[in-house]
Amino acid sequence: DAKTTQPTSMDCAEGRAANLPCNHSTISGNEYVYWYRQIHSQGPQYIIHGLKNNETNEMASLIITEDRKSSTLILPHATLRDTAVYYCIVRTTDSWGKLQFGAGTQVVVTP
Amino acid sequence: EAGVTQSPTHLIKTRGQQATLRCSPISGHTSVYWYQQALGLGLQFLLWYDEGEERNRGNFPPRFSGRQFPNYSSELNVNALELEDSALYLCASSLTNRQGWNGYTFGSGTRLTVV
Repeated sequence: DAKTTQPTSMDCAEGRAANLPCNHSTISGNEYVYWYRQIHSQGPQYIIHGLKNNETNEMASLIITEDRKSSTLILPHATLRDTAVYYCIVRTTDSWGKLQFGAGTQVVVTP
Repeated sequence: EAGVTQSPTHLIKTRGQQATLRCSPISGHTSVYWYQQALGLGLQFLLWYDEGEERNRGNFPPRFSGRQFPNYSSELNVNALELEDSALYLCASSLTNRQGWNGYTFGSGTRLTVV
C-alpha cells in the first residue's frame, strides 16, 4: 500500500470548514483513498473513501486531485465533536489484510 | 445491526499474569484484526484472523497470541504480562476480498492496565 503524509496537527474554529490535506504521491491506479478518524480512546471510525472522483457523504467531502497524488478531506461545518485524530490511508480493495495506520493529523476544534 | 463488540471494557492485571480479550465481529464478517494502541502512540497491527486461521501478525513477541472460533469471534491472549503491555486493544472486522473489502469496523476497545 502507498505511503501517505499528513500534517501533525491543525486547529479549526467551530462552525468553519476544516480542510485536511494528505499527500500520496506514490499511489497506484487501483488504490483508493480512505479516511478514518479516532476520537480520544475510541475505535477508529470510517469517514469516506474515493478513487478518482470527488465524494461526499453526510460526514464529509473528499477532494482528490486529477493526478491523484494528493487529496483533501473537508469537514464542512466543524463542531467540537469533530476533535479527533484523522487518518488518511491508501489501499486497493482487493488487497485484503491489515490496514496500516500512520500518525494521522490531530484536529482540534475550538469554540 | 450490532457493531463489533469487545469485552471486557477494562481489565487490570498484575505483571506476569495472563490476559484474555474477546471480540465479536459484525455478522457476516469473517476477518478479525487486533491492534494495540499504547497511550499517546499510534495503532500498531497485532494479528489478523480469517476463516479460523492466522493470516498475518505484526512485530510482537510470541506471548501475544490468539484464535478465531467457528462463529468468527476471536480471542487475544497475552501471556507473561509486562508493564508496557498496558494499552488500548482494538478489534476490527471486515469482509474479505472474496466478498468485496469495504473497510474496517472497529470496536470500542479493551483498556488493559498492567500493574
